[in-house]
Amino acid sequence: GNSVTQMEGPVTLSEEAFLTINCTYTATGYPSLFWYVQYPGEGLQLLLKATKADDKGSNKGFEATYRKETTSFHLEKGSVQVSDSAVYFCALSDLSNTGNQFYFGTGTSLTVIP
Amino acid sequence: GAGVSQSPSNKVTEKGKDVELRCDPISGHTALYWYRQSLGQGLEFLIYFQGNSAPDKSGLPSDRFSAERTGGSVSTLTIQRTQQEDSAVYLCASSLVAGVPNQPQHFGDGTRLSIL
Repeated sequence: GNSVTQMEGPVTLSEEAFLTINCTYTATGYPSLFWYVQYPGEGLQLLLKATKADDKGSNKGFEATYRKETTSFHLEKGSVQVSDSAVYFCALSDLSNTGNQFYFGTGTSLTVIP
Repeated sequence: GAGVSQSPSNKVTEKGKDVELRCDPISGHTALYWYRQSLGQGLEFLIYFQGNSAPDKSGLPSDRFSAERTGGSVSTLTIQRTQQEDSAVYLCASSLVAGVPNQPQHFGDGTRLSIL
């Protein structure tokens, strides 16, 4: 079956530090991969996506590369800011006999301190 | 509207009462999803609609939970005889085209449900 496993938090970093949040997946088909971000009191927002192997998604300084050989989609940012403090969710979507289903990781809380 | 709209944003009710949560997806989005997020937890899938039909109801936690969608648009999630463990944020998401896996989901801000 399909599933997503992501690094457990919470993660606390100083401003301008390098960020990596690990995400690995299992999938029966050819999934698309996503990172979502959730700020306090809000719903999830799409951060970036990649739809096939070796694609790199990027947005707001965040990047993630779809690695089929390691079934991974790790999120990285070179220099985090206080405003990046949020919960980050890795997700995949895949077609099943019931339609387009999404699978989410458990989320990783990031706190960036000045 | 421009985004997914959920109402109410907050709901406080007494144990044993019924509640209805509403989701208005982005216009033209054919797929609609309901999730539950308990405090500090990830997303728990509840139900998925393709148009007005629900091909996957596997996530509904009990027969007290039901959902419907009419006109391929607005969806209502109903919880009957609420229990304290139903307290959570209920998130709704929609996506443009079902059957195309690279279409992302767009989320509403959720309904925060508190059962006293």
